[in-house]
Amino acid sequence: NAGVTQTPKFRVLKTGQSMTLLCAQDMNHEYMYWYRQDPGMGLRLIHYSVGEGTTAKGEVPDGYNVSRLKKQNFLLGLESAAPSQTSVYFCASSNPTAPRKETQYFGPGTRLLVL
Amino acid sequence: AQTVTQSQPEMSVQEAETVTLSCTYDTSENNYYLFWYKQPPSRQMILVIRQEAYKQQNATENRFSVNFQKAAKSFSLKISDSQLGDTAMYFCAWYGGATNKLIFGTGTLLAVQP
Repeated sequence: NAGVTQTPKFRVLKTGQSMTLLCAQDMNHEYMYWYRQDPGMGLRLIHYSVGEGTTAKGEVPDGYNVSRLKKQNFLLGLESAAPSQTSVYFCASSNPTAPRKETQYFGPGTRLLVL
Repeated sequence: AQTVTQSQPEMSVQEAETVTLSCTYDTSENNYYLFWYKQPPSRQMILVIRQEAYKQQNATENRFSVNFQKAAKSFSLKISDSQLGDTAMYFCAWYGGATNKLIFGTGTLLAVQP
């Protein structure tokens, strides 16, 4: 039981390049989330999904797209990377039918540097 | 909108002593939960403790306990018998039953000194 995993762990991009961050969970959780963490700002919600095939915007969605084609995977895409997207990205998941439905389980994070 | 405020950017404590980290929040919801997450240098987010707003009893997990003051909208974390491994960034977070979203504070960097 790996929990929540993220790929890659670290990536350097040039401005304008595109990339996809992959989040996978093996806990059969319905809800999945993408956050970004910047110094002095805590974690902020980018996009989230309440089930396969559904996505919704969070607090800071601009410049990102997401897809949830399979229940266990949640992809975060950057179509044209900008230096302002340099951050650490965290994926999380939760089970809305569990006794502790509000508890989110986090992946190890992906550090992204955009030059 | 819900907000979470951590007014202590950094704190320091001697090993084996007790330290309290502060957190206040603002919400108009009645059904919510509060959390403390620990983030060590590895960056992994680790759940330390959770509190259900409808419960008056303060949550405890071994050396970690909270002081939940619902009327004052305050949720502080007490770490007893501090250990070197407690050195980390600590985030306070609020979760609303109506919004299904987790709102984080800006964090408190705790250093445990030997």
